Amino acid sequence: ETGVTQTPRHLVMGMTNKKSLKCEQHLGHNAMYWYKQSAKKPLELMFVYNFKEQTENNSVPSRFSPECPNSSHLFLHLHTLQPEDSALYLCASNQQGVLATNEKLFFGSGTQLSVL
Amino acid sequence: AQTVTQSQPEMSVQEAETVTLSCTYDTSESDYYLFWYKQPPSRQMILVIRQEAYKQQNATENRFSVNFQKAAKSFSLKISDSQLGDAAMYFCAYRSEVGETSGSRLTFGEGTQLTVNP
Repeated sequence: ETGVTQTPRHLVMGMTNKKSLKCEQHLGHNAMYWYKQSAKKPLELMFVYNFKEQTENNSVPSRFSPECPNSSHLFLHLHTLQPEDSALYLCASNQQGVLATNEKLFFGSGTQLSVL
Repeated sequence: AQTVTQSQPEMSVQEAETVTLSCTYDTSESDYYLFWYKQPPSRQMILVIRQEAYKQQNATENRFSVNFQKAAKSFSLKISDSQLGDAAMYFCAYRSEVGETSGSRLTFGEGTQLTVNP
């Protein structure tokens, strides 16, 4: 257990559904991330939040909408997804900045998403 | 842009034997970090080992060690005395040293699935 918790573990949704993925960390980190992991492809960085502010959006389609209400919680709201969006979505956190002595990423166990 | 290549989609090793996973990368930067992450069936990515490019000495963590060849842009992972619990997907990753938020810019390889045979 790395201190990063993701729910749900599995999610099956239709293309017209709206659902949300949740990530929670109690490590005191100031940065949180969403990654997409597709089969036989490298992990793709989707979004980065630093002190609740989005600092990076890696050209992600608008059907993915992130939300970071505080430094401990991160959501990914999903709507009108496509079958090719089926993947493992991983959340991660770390401590960023000039005072950070170790920028090691801590990952959650991911949400396996299937879009029908 | 940096790229990371893992040329071995799958590898297998006998328990107690040694296995080496390959990783090459492409960059024009001189300062950077390299990582090996492990993703077991639980799906949780775990940092295995970390190497700073400015350090000539190869990093070692218990049974895990790296062979870092900066000129060749090669960063292989050696697992000694392999154990059943080492079975996992292993990802090589690169991180630029540039910028305060560089911690977010991890570039991953495609991964190598390691099987450990009893």
